Amino acid sequence: AQTVTQSQPEMSVQEAETVTLSCTYDTSESDYYLFWYKQPPSRQMILVIRQEAYKQQNATENRFSVNFQKAAKSFSLKISDSQLGDAAMYFCAYGGGGADGLTFGKGTHLIIQP
Amino acid sequence: DTGVSQDPRHKITKRGQNVTFRCDPISEHNRLYWYRQTLGQGPEFLTYFQNEAQLEKSRLLSDRFSAERPKGSFSTLEIQRTEQGDSAMYLCASSFGGASYEQYFGPGTRLTVT
Repeated sequence: AQTVTQSQPEMSVQEAETVTLSCTYDTSESDYYLFWYKQPPSRQMILVIRQEAYKQQNATENRFSVNFQKAAKSFSLKISDSQLGDAAMYFCAYGGGGADGLTFGKGTHLIIQP
Repeated sequence: DTGVSQDPRHKITKRGQNVTFRCDPISEHNRLYWYRQTLGQGPEFLTYFQNEAQLEKSRLLSDRFSAERPKGSFSTLEIQRTEQGDSAMYLCASSFGGASYEQYFGPGTRLTVT
């Protein structure tokens, strides 16, 4: 079974600074997908960024980028120029390997200090 | 289309009662997922449908839980003989396809069993 580990329960960053959220996963599959989802307080979960395991190039979406290290099974999220609206729970998720449901980590609570 | 909707948003019930939740996915999505999220945890996959067919169930889905998606449109999740351990947020998500596709989440139904 796949597992996803987020070792940082909470992170704090000053507005306009850069922060990196960590995620590691375990799988025996070679073809899979990795996601970062954002869950603002009392609001719906939304996709931040997606990475296909077969792609070596790291995904980027505006201020959000990932560092995907397939051999190390690591998938960190970097948020540049942090904004107050980035404050939320961030979940790393694994998809694929014959299972269509996502496997989520426990999440990292990101606090943005003004 | 306004996205995935869930009803009710909150449900308080007494132990032993039955409850039913509804999820309306994005209309053109053929896949629909149910997850459970307890406090301080990431969502856990329960089951999913492709059109009206229920294709996968997690071991978390005990015999007291049943899900349906008649005609491949909305879905219901019923919990019979509720227990205090069923207290959680129940999330619904929908997508165009399999593991590689973005899942769009609803706001969730928060169940409290007293």
